[in-house]
Amino acid sequence: QVQLVQSGAEVKKPGASVKVSCKASGYTFTSNDFNWVRQAPGQGLEWMGWVSSDNGNTKFSQRFQVRVTMTTDTSTNTAYMELRSLRSDDTAIYYCVRDGPGYCDATGCYTSPYFNHWGQGTLVIVSS
Amino acid sequence: DIVMTQSPDSLAVSLGERATINCKSSQSVLYNSNNKNYLAWYQQKPGQPPKLLIYWASTRESGVPDRFSGSGSGTDFTLTISSLQAEDVAIYYCHQYYTTPYSFGPGTKLEI
Repeated sequence: QVQLVQSGAEVKKPGASVKVSCKASGYTFTSNDFNWVRQAPGQGLEWMGWVSSDNGNTKFSQRFQVRVTMTTDTSTNTAYMELRSLRSDDTAIYYCVRDGPGYCDATGCYTSPYFNHWGQGTLVIVSS
Repeated sequence: DIVMTQSPDSLAVSLGERATINCKSSQSVLYNSNNKNYLAWYQQKPGQPPKLLIYWASTRESGVPDRFSGSGSGTDFTLTISSLQAEDVAIYYCHQYYTTPYSFGPGTKLEI
């Protein structure tokens, strides 16, 4: 079965960087792309960006554009998200999320960027 | 950017009764090429990651009980729980994946 196992909780000081990993298993890694979603304490869900597991292409929310890097390593079936210049309001649970399966029908072939598998989440606390 | 809104913010429903949650997008999420609405619903229980319930606005994810159903098209969508069970207490989020930046509704808290 599909599993996404994320790295453990982190405590960082303001201005530091954090790198969260997400190891995938139970399917062909390059068949689906990854997104990263975060959730501040008691708050809703916020999409941060997307990374192709096939070619490494990325797309980010403008809110994180200059501070985030998302990569994948096909040799270890692992996705990574690095967030730099951390602030206290970056304190949140960070989730890696896998896209649904692409499909083809009479009208063409399409991706399915809904989020059908979630990692367990990584709590990142930013505090001086 | 597409802004997602949900109503109500919170909802209390008796066991066995129907629960209805509404979601509205600031622009249509219907993709004309494949005639699909790029709208999903998730359930999140305390201390857990969200769980996909519905995608393409009305397709139930495998393993999701059939008391959960989604409807709507374009900009207006509804999640219905036909007969509320105790284990359905959670926060429910809608999500548009029509275009980046993908966005979520603010959530609806469902209680007994």
